[in-house]
Amino acid sequence: EVQLVESGGGVVQPGGSLRLSCVASGFTFDDFAMHWVRQAPGKGLEYVSLINDNGETIHYADSVKGRFTISRDNSKNSLYLQMNSLGTDDTALYYCARDYMGSYEYWGQGTLVTVSS
Amino acid sequence: DVVMTQSPLSLLVTVGQPASISCRSSQSLVYGDGETYLNWFQQRPGQSPRRLIFKVSNRDSGVPDRFSGSGSGTDFTLKINRVEAEDVGVYYCMQGSHWPYTFGQGTKLEI
Repeated sequence: EVQLVESGGGVVQPGGSLRLSCVASGFTFDDFAMHWVRQAPGKGLEYVSLINDNGETIHYADSVKGRFTISRDNSKNSLYLQMNSLGTDDTALYYCARDYMGSYEYWGQGTLVTVSS
Repeated sequence: DVVMTQSPLSLLVTVGQPASISCRSSQSLVYGDGETYLNWFQQRPGQSPRRLIFKVSNRDSGVPDRFSGSGSGTDFTLKINRVEAEDVGVYYCMQGSHWPYTFGQGTKLEI
């Protein structure tokens, strides 16, 4: 059974940092690109970042470029999102999702990031 | 970025009646390999999104056959032929043909 389990969310002050993690199981992790997708409270879904299977191709949404860094450790079946210079607009539930054929077949349960003073 | 526009944004449906959601993209979703990577997701209250449909019209395993997807190019539709109470939630279209993947605004279905 495919599982994606996010962690690392919490409450942080504006300008602060957080590192999110996503541990994958039930599939060969290094065969798949992985994405982060977020959802602000009561709002829709927003793509944040992607990393391909070997980590050599990375892309960011304009809204997070220069502040967030995506990475992965295939030996640990883990995906990460380092988030710096956080603002209130970054408050959201952050999901990791497995990318295959232009789609997200599997999603985690999400980890909540709250940016507030 | 490709803009995905859904309509309506809100849908009030009686159980047993049909429902239809439209999704339009700002450019063609036909990818270079000839495939069209248009997906539909359902998000029930308090849950993660669940994929219902991929590549326009392919239903995921376990998705009831009352859900169907259709369309081509820039115009796509999700239909529920007989809405049930468990269908309450928000429905999103998402394109995976162009980077970055983009979502529609979501359509809230209520009973």
